[in-house]
Amino acid sequence: DIQMTQSPSVLSASVGDRVTLNCKASQNINKYLNWYQQKLGEAPKLLIYNTNNLQTGIPSRFSGSGSGTDYTLTISSLQPEDVATYFCFQHNSWPYTFGAGTKLELK
Amino acid sequence: EVQLQQSGPEVGRPGSSVKISCKASGYTFTDYVMNWVKQSPGQGLEWIGWIDPEYGSTDYAEKFKKKATLTADTSSNTAYIQLSSLTSEDTATYFCASSIGWFAYWGQGTLVTVSS
Repeated sequence: DIQMTQSPSVLSASVGDRVTLNCKASQNINKYLNWYQQKLGEAPKLLIYNTNNLQTGIPSRFSGSGSGTDYTLTISSLQPEDVATYFCFQHNSWPYTFGAGTKLELK
Repeated sequence: EVQLQQSGPEVGRPGSSVKISCKASGYTFTDYVMNWVKQSPGQGLEWIGWIDPEYGSTDYAEKFKKKATLTADTSSNTAYIQLSSLTSEDTATYFCASSIGWFAYWGQGTLVTVSS
């Protein structure tokens, strides 16, 4: 199985900060990497699909990049409503796998 | 509008089985694979498996091959997951997620609690 390692596990930042979340795969996943945001008691919400494609309705402050084994989610200017846990997800190889998540908090 | 509506919370006794449903609307049910995901309390996400509703074909992550059974009813556009031989490890929220739009659409989740 492909292991997905996210860092950091917890990130504290201030409103307006630029924040970067990282995800590393144990092998090449050919950019088949999604990012999800999950708030307490809710289903995961797709933000970015296939590395850098912004899902419809998602604010443009969210962006994704990467290739091979290393991927990044960037929030250009953190907003209070962005407080959540963020998961990366590879759908290149079965079984599909998720990272353990990055919990984003306000400083 | 694509919607996935899951059934309500379940309580199962250790050793018993539970069956959760996921009713799809807003798209052609047989055109897309339906996936199932487990989220244990305070934990991350695990992909359980998928079913192709058109053909009934399935695949499971190794860990869930003896635990989960996926089925689909094309007459009612509903996918199901049955969890058998319940243990405390099965206490979790289970989500269905369609492959439409690169896994954009998820059900609201169903909490399964295993308790005697």
